[in-house]
Amino acid sequence: QKEVEQNSGPLSVPEGAIASLNCTYSDRVSQSFFWYRQYSGKSPELIMSIYSNGDKEDGRFTAQLNKASQYVSLLIRDSQPSDSATYLCAVPPRGKSTFGDGTTLTVKP
Amino acid sequence: DGGITQSPKYLFRKEGQNVTLSCEQNLNHDAMYWYRQDPGQGLRLIYYSQIVNDFQKGDIAEGYSVSREKKESFPLTVTSAQKNPTAFYLCASSIRGRNNEQYFGPGTRLTVT
Repeated sequence: QKEVEQNSGPLSVPEGAIASLNCTYSDRVSQSFFWYRQYSGKSPELIMSIYSNGDKEDGRFTAQLNKASQYVSLLIRDSQPSDSATYLCAVPPRGKSTFGDGTTLTVKP
Repeated sequence: DGGITQSPKYLFRKEGQNVTLSCEQNLNHDAMYWYRQDPGQGLRLIYYSQIVNDFQKGDIAEGYSVSREKKESFPLTVTSAQKNPTAFYLCASSIRGRNNEQYFGPGTRLTVT
């Protein structure tokens, strides 16, 4: 079983819509959860960190964490074409890769 | 400016040659990591180091070697034993501790023919 699983993409939404990206993790010990954005041909960029159950908002981005269900999600409100990228979910590395394979989001004008 | 630098951005080598990828950070981070990314794939951990003069193998260490002689530097050598070395190589660093937020360098795209 992979450490982190993301819902398979690609995901396409119209401009202005809400994009919902989901992730589950297998290790109940994990305390920190991260979302990275990776544009094509570029390196990943950390956009959200979440450590406690509930929601964390940062501008148009909201991360949601449910430790009981081992589930973390990222909502992007008012999606823009510039949000088109691959989004990677991650937990802290402990000797092995702890990134999901990513979900590619396309926001259509 | 604080950050992580990787050089070169593009690297071309002939099969059978060893090649060393550079990674330097001035963020004063203790931990450093090397990942490999193949087209359309996620990140796979090659090696990581939590402190100077110590490092551990990740998922796919075979055919790679590293050193950590300075806190700022974590070079990766891709040896001729690595069967499919062509890939995008990413270096990251983080502060040791429970958060472990990783910050990435711009990457080196290695092509071996």
